[in-house]
Amino acid sequence: SAVISQKPSRDICQRGTSLTIQCQVDSQVTMMFWYRQQPGQSLTLIATANQGSEATYESGFVIDKFPISRPNLTFSTLTVSNMSPEDSSIYLCSVWGDGYTFGSGTRLTVV
Amino acid sequence: AQSVTQLDSQVPVFEEAPVELRCNYSSSVSVYLFWYVQYPNQGLQLLLKYLSGSTLVKGINGFEAEFNKSQTSFHLRKPSVHISDTAEYFCAVSEVEYGNKLVFGAGTILRVKS
Repeated sequence: SAVISQKPSRDICQRGTSLTIQCQVDSQVTMMFWYRQQPGQSLTLIATANQGSEATYESGFVIDKFPISRPNLTFSTLTVSNMSPEDSSIYLCSVWGDGYTFGSGTRLTVV
Repeated sequence: AQSVTQLDSQVPVFEEAPVELRCNYSSSVSVYLFWYVQYPNQGLQLLLKYLSGSTLVKGINGFEAEFNKSQTSFHLRKPSVHISDTAEYFCAVSEVEYGNKLVFGAGTILRVKS
């Protein structure tokens, strides 16, 4: 199965700033998925990113707040924009390959 | 759209006892089913998956699950738990035909007591 390298592993950010999270996959994949796990909660899908097209966002998530780039078949970024303390969560990327593989996650704290 | 219900938010159990974590799903099409484990302050680890074939699926760490299509269930079982199994367990489902989006249940915290 695919191996995903996700960066950064954690960060503490000031409110009003933005953070870009990167995911690098060791093989080419058609779709990449971005999830959020709020404290004490389950995982919620933010968006699905296909190479060469705009990401598809789930209800409650908008491109202005969570812009996604997918420049090629092995890489994607998620930006959390204009952050507030409510954005404090773990963000994870995932790919499909005989099951779903997840990155190790980015633990974001907004102060 | 698919959905997942994990029937127990917490399951306390004594060490070496058997455990079952329950999961029911809803979907109008064929599905793939998964169980993930998350240890405190760690990422997600795949325990086992059902994609097709035998309905009894064996995973890592002695866990197994059975896909029951008529009852739309995918319960996770272990015959004898260890303290180290204390973690949060997530059931998840994706619909085979619709872009492979994965939907998670709310999670079940397994607390193994000595």
